[in-house]
Amino acid sequence: GAVVSQHPSWVICKSGTSVKIECRSLDFQATTMFWYRQFPKQSLMLMATSNEGSKATYEQGVEKDKFLINHASLTLSTLTVTSAHPEDSSFYICSARDQGQPYNEQFFGPGTRLTVL
Amino acid sequence: EDKVVQSPLSLVVHEGDTVTLNCSYEVTNFRSLLWYKQEKKAPTFLFMLTSSGIEKKSGRLSSILDKKELFSILNITATQTGDSAIYLCAVEATSGGSNYKLTFGKGTLLTVNP
Repeated sequence: GAVVSQHPSWVICKSGTSVKIECRSLDFQATTMFWYRQFPKQSLMLMATSNEGSKATYEQGVEKDKFLINHASLTLSTLTVTSAHPEDSSFYICSARDQGQPYNEQFFGPGTRLTVL
Repeated sequence: EDKVVQSPLSLVVHEGDTVTLNCSYEVTNFRSLLWYKQEKKAPTFLFMLTSSGIEKKSGRLSSILDKKELFSILNITATQTGDSAIYLCAVEATSGGSNYKLTFGKGTLLTVNP
Protein backbone atom coordinates (compact mmCIF):
# COMPACT_ATOMS: atom_id res chain seq x y z
CA GLY A 1 0.00 0.00 0.00
CA ALA A 2 0.91 3.65 -0.26
CA VAL A 3 3.40 4.88 2.31
CA VAL A 4 3.84 8.38 3.68
CA SER A 5 6.84 9.25 5.81
CA GLN A 6 7.49 12.20 8.08
CA HIS A 7 10.75 13.52 9.41
CA PRO A 8 11.59 14.04 12.14
CA SER A 9 9.34 11.82 14.23
CA TRP A 10 9.93 14.04 17.23
CA VAL A 11 11.69 17.30 17.89
CA ILE A 12 12.39 19.44 20.93
CA CYS A 13 13.34 23.05 20.38
CA LYS A 14 13.75 26.30 22.26
CA SER A 15 11.16 29.02 22.11
CA GLY A 16 11.79 31.40 19.23
CA THR A 17 13.45 28.92 16.92
CA SER A 18 12.01 27.57 13.67
CA VAL A 19 11.34 23.92 12.99
CA LYS A 20 10.89 22.24 9.62
CA ILE A 21 8.89 19.04 9.22
CA GLU A 22 9.03 17.00 6.03
CA CYS A 23 6.27 14.86 4.56
CA ARG A 24 7.10 12.47 1.74
CA SER A 25 5.00 10.12 -0.33
CA LEU A 26 7.32 7.18 -0.88
CA ASP A 27 5.74 5.18 -3.65
CA PHE A 28 3.20 7.44 -5.27
CA GLN A 29 2.80 10.96 -6.52
CA ALA A 30 0.76 13.32 -4.42
CA THR A 31 -0.40 16.56 -5.99
CA THR A 32 -2.24 17.33 -2.77
CA MET A 33 -0.99 16.94 0.78
CA PHE A 34 -2.69 17.95 4.00
CA TRP A 35 -1.27 19.12 7.30
CA TYR A 36 -3.09 18.42 10.55
CA ARG A 37 -2.43 19.28 14.17
CA GLN A 38 -3.59 17.23 17.10
CA PHE A 39 -3.47 18.44 20.70
CA PRO A 40 -3.64 15.92 23.56
CA LYS A 41 -7.04 14.27 23.81
CA GLN A 42 -8.28 16.29 20.85
CA SER A 43 -9.06 15.29 17.32
CA LEU A 44 -7.09 16.06 14.20
CA MET A 45 -7.60 19.61 13.02
CA LEU A 46 -6.85 20.42 9.41
CA MET A 47 -4.37 23.28 9.20
CA ALA A 48 -3.84 23.62 5.49
CA THR A 49 -4.09 21.95 2.13
CA SER A 50 -0.88 21.91 0.16
CA ASN A 51 -0.98 21.71 -3.61
CA GLU A 52 2.13 21.01 -5.63
CA GLY A 53 3.39 24.08 -7.40
CA SER A 54 0.93 26.52 -5.87
CA LYS A 55 0.24 28.29 -2.61
CA ALA A 56 -1.24 26.36 0.27
CA THR A 57 -4.81 26.94 1.35
CA TYR A 58 -5.02 27.61 5.07
CA GLU A 59 -7.97 26.89 7.32
CA GLN A 60 -9.58 29.68 9.24
CA GLY A 61 -7.56 30.68 12.29
CA VAL A 62 -4.27 29.22 11.06
CA GLU A 63 -1.56 31.86 10.57
CA LYS A 64 0.06 31.36 7.19
CA ASP A 65 3.09 33.44 8.15
CA LYS A 66 3.72 31.26 11.16
CA PHE A 67 3.14 27.90 9.50
CA LEU A 68 4.95 28.04 6.19
CA ILE A 69 4.11 25.30 3.75
CA ASN A 70 6.09 24.43 0.66
CA HIS A 71 5.05 21.69 -1.76
CA ALA A 72 7.85 21.88 -4.26
CA SER A 73 7.58 18.40 -5.75
CA LEU A 74 5.03 15.66 -6.23
CA THR A 75 6.50 13.67 -3.35
CA LEU A 76 7.50 16.28 -0.79
CA SER A 77 5.75 18.90 1.29
CA THR A 78 7.34 20.77 4.18
CA LEU A 79 5.80 22.58 7.13
CA THR A 80 7.96 25.14 8.90
CA VAL A 81 6.83 26.36 12.29
CA THR A 82 8.45 29.78 12.55
CA SER A 83 9.37 31.38 15.86
CA ALA A 84 7.90 28.44 17.74
CA HIS A 85 6.38 28.98 21.17
CA PRO A 86 5.29 26.48 23.82
CA GLU A 87 1.68 26.72 22.67
CA ASP A 88 2.79 25.33 19.30
CA SER A 89 3.74 22.06 21.00
CA SER A 90 1.55 19.46 19.37
CA PHE A 91 1.43 16.37 17.21
CA TYR A 92 1.67 17.33 13.54
CA ILE A 93 0.44 14.81 10.99
CA CYS A 94 0.52 15.02 7.23
CA SER A 95 -1.46 13.05 4.73
CA ALA A 96 -1.08 12.64 1.01
CA ARG A 97 -3.69 11.95 -1.58
CA ASP A 98 -2.83 9.27 -4.10
CA GLN A 99 -4.31 10.54 -7.33
CA GLY A 100 -4.04 7.08 -8.83
CA GLN A 101 -6.26 5.43 -6.22
CA PRO A 102 -10.04 5.23 -6.38
CA TYR A 103 -11.81 7.85 -4.29
CA ASN A 104 -8.51 9.74 -3.97
CA GLU A 105 -7.80 8.07 -0.64
CA GLN A 106 -5.65 9.93 1.86
CA PHE A 107 -2.70 8.15 3.44
CA PHE A 108 -1.35 9.44 6.73
CA GLY A 109 2.22 9.85 7.83
CA PRO A 110 3.33 8.65 11.27
CA GLY A 111 3.29 12.15 12.72
CA THR A 112 5.85 14.48 14.27
CA ARG A 113 5.70 15.36 17.93
CA LEU A 114 6.91 18.90 18.50
CA THR A 115 7.82 20.11 21.98
CA VAL A 116 8.76 23.75 22.38
CA LEU A 117 10.51 24.60 25.63
CA GLU B 1 -18.96 25.07 8.91
CA ASP B 2 -18.73 21.29 8.59
CA LYS B 3 -19.30 19.41 11.82
CA VAL B 4 -18.70 15.83 12.94
CA VAL B 5 -19.86 14.64 16.36
CA GLN B 6 -18.89 11.32 17.88
CA SER B 7 -20.35 9.58 20.88
CA PRO B 8 -19.55 8.41 23.38
CA LEU B 9 -16.28 10.25 23.91
CA SER B 10 -14.95 7.37 25.96
CA LEU B 11 -16.00 3.82 26.68
CA VAL B 12 -14.63 1.11 28.95
CA VAL B 13 -15.65 -2.49 28.33
CA HIS B 14 -14.50 -6.02 29.11
CA GLU B 15 -13.01 -8.41 26.62
CA GLY B 16 -15.72 -10.17 24.67
CA ASP B 17 -18.20 -7.32 24.85
CA THR B 18 -19.73 -5.77 21.74
CA VAL B 19 -19.49 -2.01 21.29
CA THR B 20 -21.23 0.47 19.02
CA LEU B 21 -19.62 3.81 18.27
CA ASN B 22 -21.66 6.64 16.82
CA CYS B 23 -20.88 9.42 14.40
CA SER B 24 -23.24 12.14 13.20
CA TYR B 25 -22.39 14.87 10.78
CA GLU B 26 -23.46 18.08 9.15
CA VAL B 27 -21.53 18.93 6.02
CA THR B 28 -22.13 20.50 2.68
CA ASN B 29 -21.02 18.64 -0.43
CA PHE B 30 -20.67 15.28 1.31
CA ARG B 31 -18.48 12.77 -0.47
CA SER B 32 -17.70 9.99 1.97
CA LEU B 33 -17.43 9.05 5.63
CA LEU B 34 -14.36 7.34 6.95
CA TRP B 35 -13.47 5.51 10.13
CA TYR B 36 -9.93 5.38 11.46
CA LYS B 37 -8.24 3.69 14.40
CA GLN B 38 -5.56 5.70 16.17
CA GLU B 39 -3.24 4.13 18.67
CA LYS B 40 -0.08 6.02 19.50
CA LYS B 41 0.68 7.50 16.13
CA ALA B 42 -1.18 8.48 13.01
CA PRO B 43 -4.61 7.10 12.19
CA THR B 44 -4.94 3.85 10.32
CA PHE B 45 -7.76 3.45 7.84
CA LEU B 46 -10.67 1.16 8.67
CA PHE B 47 -13.58 1.88 6.37
CA MET B 48 -14.81 4.30 3.76
CA LEU B 49 -18.57 4.60 3.33
CA THR B 50 -20.26 6.38 0.48
CA SER B 51 -23.66 4.72 0.13
CA SER B 52 -26.48 4.37 2.62
CA GLY B 53 -27.46 1.01 3.98
CA ILE B 54 -24.50 -1.01 2.73
CA GLU B 55 -22.64 -2.61 5.59
CA LYS B 56 -18.90 -2.86 5.34
CA LYS B 57 -17.21 -5.63 7.30
CA SER B 58 -13.68 -6.47 8.21
CA GLY B 59 -13.33 -9.30 10.69
CA ARG B 60 -15.00 -8.27 13.92
CA LEU B 61 -15.53 -4.69 12.75
CA SER B 62 -18.43 -3.48 10.70
CA SER B 63 -19.85 -0.11 9.78
CA ILE B 64 -22.88 1.34 8.08
CA LEU B 65 -23.92 4.77 6.86
CA ASP B 66 -27.31 6.47 6.85
CA LYS B 67 -27.16 9.46 4.53
CA LYS B 68 -30.73 10.45 5.22
CA GLU B 69 -30.27 10.71 8.97
CA LEU B 70 -26.62 11.81 8.58
CA PHE B 71 -24.96 9.28 10.83
CA SER B 72 -22.80 6.21 10.86
CA ILE B 73 -22.05 3.49 13.39
CA LEU B 74 -19.00 1.37 13.90
CA ASN B 75 -19.55 -1.99 15.58
CA ILE B 76 -16.88 -4.11 17.16
CA THR B 77 -17.90 -7.59 18.31
CA ALA B 78 -16.02 -9.85 20.71
CA THR B 79 -13.70 -7.02 21.69
CA GLN B 80 -10.07 -7.73 22.53
CA THR B 81 -7.53 -5.70 24.47
CA GLY B 82 -5.85 -4.89 21.16
CA ASP B 83 -8.95 -2.98 20.12
CA SER B 84 -8.14 -0.34 22.73
CA ALA B 85 -7.56 2.86 20.78
CA ILE B 86 -9.16 6.11 19.73
CA TYR B 87 -11.65 5.61 16.92
CA LEU B 88 -11.98 8.60 14.67
CA CYS B 89 -14.81 9.38 12.32
CA ALA B 90 -14.11 11.78 9.46
CA VAL B 91 -16.27 13.17 6.71
CA GLU B 92 -14.86 14.06 3.35
CA ALA B 93 -16.40 16.99 1.52
CA THR B 94 -15.42 19.25 -1.32
CA SER B 95 -13.53 22.36 -0.34
CA GLY B 96 -13.73 24.11 -3.67
CA GLY B 97 -12.76 23.00 -7.14
CA SER B 98 -11.55 19.43 -7.17
CA ASN B 99 -10.21 19.58 -3.63
CA TYR B 100 -11.66 17.42 -0.90
CA LYS B 101 -10.91 17.80 2.77
CA LEU B 102 -11.54 15.72 5.87
CA THR B 103 -13.29 17.00 8.96
CA PHE B 104 -12.66 14.80 11.98
CA GLY B 105 -14.77 14.19 15.04
CA LYS B 106 -13.18 14.26 18.48
CA GLY B 107 -12.96 10.52 18.56
CA THR B 108 -14.11 7.79 20.93
CA LEU B 109 -11.52 6.47 23.34
CA LEU B 110 -12.20 2.76 23.70
CA THR B 111 -10.57 0.84 26.52
CA VAL B 112 -10.96 -2.92 26.56
CA ASN B 113 -10.04 -4.51 29.87
CA PRO B 114 -9.04 -8.17 30.16
